[in-house]
Amino acid sequence: EDQVTQSPEALRLQEGESSSLNCSYTVSGLRGLFWYRQDPGKGPEFLFTLYSAGEEKEKERLKATLTKKESFLHITAPKPEDSATYLCAVQAPGGAGGTSYGKLTFGQGTILTVHP
Amino acid sequence: EAGVTQFPSHSVIEKGQTVTLRCDPISGHDNLYWYRRVMGKEIKFLLHFVKESKQDESGMPNNRFLAERTGGTYSTLKVQPAELEDSGVYFCASSQDEGILYEQYFGPGTRLTVT
Repeated sequence: EDQVTQSPEALRLQEGESSSLNCSYTVSGLRGLFWYRQDPGKGPEFLFTLYSAGEEKEKERLKATLTKKESFLHITAPKPEDSATYLCAVQAPGGAGGTSYGKLTFGQGTILTVHP
Repeated sequence: EAGVTQFPSHSVIEKGQTVTLRCDPISGHDNLYWYRRVMGKEIKFLLHFVKESKQDESGMPNNRFLAERTGGTYSTLKVQPAELEDSGVYFCASSQDEGILYEQYFGPGTRLTVT
């Protein structure tokens, strides 16, 4: 069974204090790894897709990296508006005969709080 | 462009009652997904529609849950009869196509409380 584990469960930073969030995974036939941001009372909002080990993607203060076993979300000089829950999800073949490519398997998320 | 919408935003029902959740995907998105998050747990996949067909329903917990997508537009998820453990937030998502190249856009969720 596919598994995704995120750490830490919660992270408190001061504004400007850079850090990293970890997502480790066990999946058969990884098709892609996704990072989402979720604000209270809202649905997950897409950030990045990573397809293969060694890949990196950046968006503003966020940079996501991928290895064969884990992904990191690096946050550089965070601001209070970066406070949110960050979710990692993997996609692998599913459905009857492994012919479906829609199911996402999520981790529990990391709750990030950035203090001014 | 309107995003994924879900109705109601919150539902409180008693154990044994029936509840129907509705999801309207982004216009033109053939792929529609249902997920749920039970208190303290991760978001879990329930099922995936391609147009009106169920592509993957491996995450449906039991036969008290019935999902439909007549005409390939909006979808409903009915829980009958509801049990206490069904409480949680039910998310709907849609994508233009399936696979890693196509981002899944999530709705705001329906918070279901079974008392």
